[in-house]
Amino acid sequence: DQQVKQNSPSLSVQEGRISILNCDYTNSMFDYFLWYKKYPAEGPTFLISISSIKDKNEDGRFTVFLNKSAKHLSLHIVPSQPGDSAVYFCAASRTDSSYKLIFGSGTRLLVRP
Amino acid sequence: KAGVTQTPRYLIKTRGQQVTLSCSPISGHRSVSWYQQTPGQGLQFLFEYFSETQRNKGNFPGRFSGRQFSNSRSEMNVSTLELGDSALYLCASSLGQAINYGYTFGSGTRLTVV
Repeated sequence: DQQVKQNSPSLSVQEGRISILNCDYTNSMFDYFLWYKKYPAEGPTFLISISSIKDKNEDGRFTVFLNKSAKHLSLHIVPSQPGDSAVYFCAASRTDSSYKLIFGSGTRLLVRP
Repeated sequence: KAGVTQTPRYLIKTRGQQVTLSCSPISGHRSVSWYQQTPGQGLQFLFEYFSETQRNKGNFPGRFSGRQFSNSRSEMNVSTLELGDSALYLCASSLGQAINYGYTFGSGTRLTVV
């Protein structure tokens, strides 16, 4: 019962182009969404988040879009840099309860120089 | 300030044994969560502790247990190890509720069961 799904296990883009990572969720009670980035041999690091009252949040080269009706969110990285090569996890939560994040299975991004 | 510290970094155990993993949160953080990461499965929530109380538990068998001490340090224990328990175990700490304050993850303990 995967409530958060990242259907693309990997993505390869050219340096300078846009990277788009996608995430779908099934639980309509989720109201807070986050993206984490993970390098090998390190723990995940927080990247950007969005509340369900918004449909877009931007932080530098990173923008997260939320489509509540489609239960879909995406992370855009523009322009992509080789240092962005990592595994990206999306996560979702209900802020009224549970004290936990539900993570997707991750997408491995490779940015080619 | 020091980050989240997990020890040991690597561990090899035999089936049937038990193992204890340790996590020291960021100073001042009172919430500690544990996750299991396996290839293709992402991060699976194990449990979360706040002020020595377990507030939430994931869908793992009773062989997985944890506790939190008064200094917020946490341990998780896995008894009767199975080959499928081989994974990266990640600990994350936060000030309170993870959503409002954000998680900070440690580098994890890589457990291999042979």
